Amino acid sequence: GQNIDQPTEMTATEGAIVQINCTYQTSGFNGLFWYQQHAGEAPTFLSYNVLDGLEEKGRFSSFLSRSKGYSYLLLKELQMKDSASYLCAVIDSNYQLIWGAGTKLIIKP
Amino acid sequence: DAMVIQNPRYQVTQFGKPVTLSCSQTLNHNVMYWYQQKSSQAPKLLFHYYDKDFNNEADTPDNFQSRRPNTSFCFLDIRSPGLGDAAMYLCATSRDRGAGADTQYFGPGTRLTVL
Repeated sequence: GQNIDQPTEMTATEGAIVQINCTYQTSGFNGLFWYQQHAGEAPTFLSYNVLDGLEEKGRFSSFLSRSKGYSYLLLKELQMKDSASYLCAVIDSNYQLIWGAGTKLIIKP
Repeated sequence: DAMVIQNPRYQVTQFGKPVTLSCSQTLNHNVMYWYQQKSSQAPKLLFHYYDKDFNNEADTPDNFQSRRPNTSFCFLDIRSPGLGDAAMYLCATSRDRGAGADTQYFGPGTRLTVL
């Protein structure tokens, strides 16, 4: 079967750094996405990785290791508005998007 | 601004009363998707259209139907809503499938309540 694992919930402090991990076992791999979803709202696209390595975009960075089936999303200089769920999703060999259940990130002052 | 629009944002219906949700896009994307998302769960793909080609997920109940009359519009029909169909319904689009064109862009969603 296809599976994406990420922690259910994490807590961090405003101004700090947090790393959200994602591991995947899928039928093939054609890319990995991270989305941010605030409560009651739709997911918004954050990043796309298809090659190994780190992609940096402002305060957010995403890392991929295809050999390990592993990615992380790194959030720096945390702000209260970063409180949201972060969803990891993988495109498989059939170009189906397989979603993780999301990690709820709670930011404390 | 190019975007994905969903109407209505909130829909209340009665048990068994048909309901239609709509989605439009100004991105001129080839692919449109309908997802169902329940609280604290991953989005669940119901259907997708690649241009006019309709693709139904194997576990999508027959109670759910979809139409895409043109590139810009897509509709989700729920023929006889049950209490278990209360959820957020998300429409998304992508430019294409494969070759790095898979990034999906979501509309704001329609929150369906079934009484």
